[in-house]
Formats: sequence, structure tokens, C-alpha cells
Amino acid sequence: EVVLTQSPGTLSLSAGERATLSCRASQSVSSSYLAWYQQKPGQTPRLLIYGASSRATGIPDRFSGSGSGTDFTLTISRLEPEDFAVYYCQQYGALPYAFGQGTKLEIK
Amino acid sequence: EVQLVESGGGLVKPGGSLRLSCAASGFTFSSYSMNWVRQAPGKGLEWVSSIGGSSRYIYYADSLKGRFTISRDNAKNSLYLQMNSLTAEDTAVYYCARDRIVVLTDAFDIWGQGTMVTVSS
Repeated sequence: EVVLTQSPGTLSLSAGERATLSCRASQSVSSSYLAWYQQKPGQTPRLLIYGASSRATGIPDRFSGSGSGTDFTLTISRLEPEDFAVYYCQQYGALPYAFGQGTKLEIK
Repeated sequence: EVQLVESGGGLVKPGGSLRLSCAASGFTFSSYSMNWVRQAPGKGLEWVSSIGGSSRYIYYADSLKGRFTISRDNAKNSLYLQMNSLTAEDTAVYYCARDRIVVLTDAFDIWGQGTMVTVSS
């Protein structure tokens, strides 16, 4: 089974800064079937990125995804106040589907 | 509007059973694979189960050990999760979620608001 490890656990940054979140898989993720989700407190997860690098409908272009194989990155180019949340990666290329443990992006 | 609405959560005693429902609207339900994802209080997301549009493909997380059963009724645009032999470790918000497009597997683009299941004596 594919295990996803996200780093860092918590990232403290200021609005306007660049955020780089990492997701490492224990084995290669099939066909880059890797997604990123954002979850704010008390809210439902929101799909940001699918296929490792494609933005979901309505997602601002400051969010970008990259990577392949076992190493994936979510980059937020310039943080807006509403971007502070928890981010999860997910692989859906092999069963069992799995989520990473999450990265909390907090205001510095 | 594309929407998923879960129901059926609540307080149940250890060893008990519960059936969750998810009502879909705004899209051709039968064409999409559907999923259940849960989130324990203060914890991360955990994939639970997936079902194909025609129910031909059904998958479960290994940790469920055969206690949960996913099903769907396309005539009623509804998804279900039958949960048996519940333990405190099953306490979580349960979300239903839709695959993004009509293929065998994809990311989850539409999520319900979740329904809380609490297992406690």
C-alpha cells in the first residue's frame, strides 16, 4: 500500500509569501494520480489540484502542483489571508486510496 | 447546483450499527463513482470506501475488516454506508464525495457537509 508523508507538519508564513508543501509517497504513484485538498476549520475539504498538476475548477492560479513518481509539491505563489488552512495530498492511483497526514499552514 | 447531503449520523453504543445516506442532486448520479471518507475529531482524512457507477466495482479500506458495506440506489440518487460492530475508533465525521469525472478513478471534487457518528456507551 502507498503511504503518503507530508512535510512540514506546520508551516508558519506571512501573507504575500510563497508556500511550498511537500508530499512524498512510499512507492511510485500510478499515472500521477495525486491530488491536493484544502480544508479550513469547520469546513468540507476542497479539491485544489488533480493529476499532480492540474487545477480544479475555480481554483486561483496562485496554486500550482508539480512532481511525479514519489515526490510531489504544492506551491502557493503569494499567500492570501484565506489560504491559511490545512492541506492534504491524496493518491488515487492504487488501492487503498490514501491521504497524507496534512500540513497546517498558519499565519506567522 | 451539484450537491451531496449526508444523513443518518448520531450516537450509537459500541457494537451497534448505523446506516448513513448521501442524497445527490444536480448531476447524473449513476455515471459517477462515489466515495466515503471519514475524519476523526482533530485528525486527518481517511478513505473508507468507493463504489463504481453501476456498483460493479466496490473497494474498502483494509482497516474496516468487513464491518462496513457501501451501496447505492441510482433510481433514488442515493449512496449508503452500512456500518456494523462499531467501536470508539469509528467516531468521526463521515463525508460522501464524488469522483471528479466519469472514469474508473479520479480525485474527489464534490463533497457533502458530513454527518457525525459518535460511538460511545
